Amino acid sequence: GAVVSQHPSRVICKSGTSVKIECRSLDFQATTMFWYRQFPKQSLMLMATSNEGSKATYEQGVEKDKFLINHASLTLSTLTVTSAHPEDSSFYICSARALGFGSYEQYFGPGTRLTVT
Amino acid sequence: KQEVTQIPAALSVPEGENLVLNCSFTDSAIYNLQWFRQDPGKGLTSLLLIQSSQREQTSGRLNASLDKSSGRSTLYIAASQPGDSATYLCAVIGGGDLETSGSRLTFGEGTQLTVNP
Repeated sequence: GAVVSQHPSRVICKSGTSVKIECRSLDFQATTMFWYRQFPKQSLMLMATSNEGSKATYEQGVEKDKFLINHASLTLSTLTVTSAHPEDSSFYICSARALGFGSYEQYFGPGTRLTVT
Repeated sequence: KQEVTQIPAALSVPEGENLVLNCSFTDSAIYNLQWFRQDPGKGLTSLLLIQSSQREQTSGRLNASLDKSSGRSTLYIAASQPGDSATYLCAVIGGGDLETSGSRLTFGEGTQLTVNP
């Protein structure tokens, strides 16, 4: 149980285009989803926290107009990288916190490798 | 602000050796602590989660301990195998007000483990 999927697993796009990444909780309802970014040889950095039906809360230094997050249902959150540039190339990982679970445990997706050329 | 540090940054051991990975955190008011494994280019695999009221958790050859008051956790791997080679990440939830921090996970930089056959 507690499986989180991400789509696509890899994407290559041209500079200036937008890319959408989906994060789905497959067998549970997620009140809260998180988006992380991981650069090579570095740890995960939280970008934003999203609660279903409300606006996402962005971490300091993360541009909310560039990284659009939508959490329209209890099983789906999307991250759209708008006007992507090569410096946005990174590994993006989402996680989901289950509704009603008391441990605050997050379940992680497999990640999406974004390469901007 | 919660900060998580992992020592060592990298570790190389011969197969069969028992080893300990260290994690420390600056704010002891955590809700739980989690150890993850990450293989190159992949997402996170949760290994062990320790609630703040617990002192240790065991799964197979893995044992994680938590000393909340001193802000430390260790991950003990018994009889290491080449398949254990990966980056091990420690992360904590909480530190301060849980309601404002949400279930924010703060990650350490990781320990890159290589087990040589």
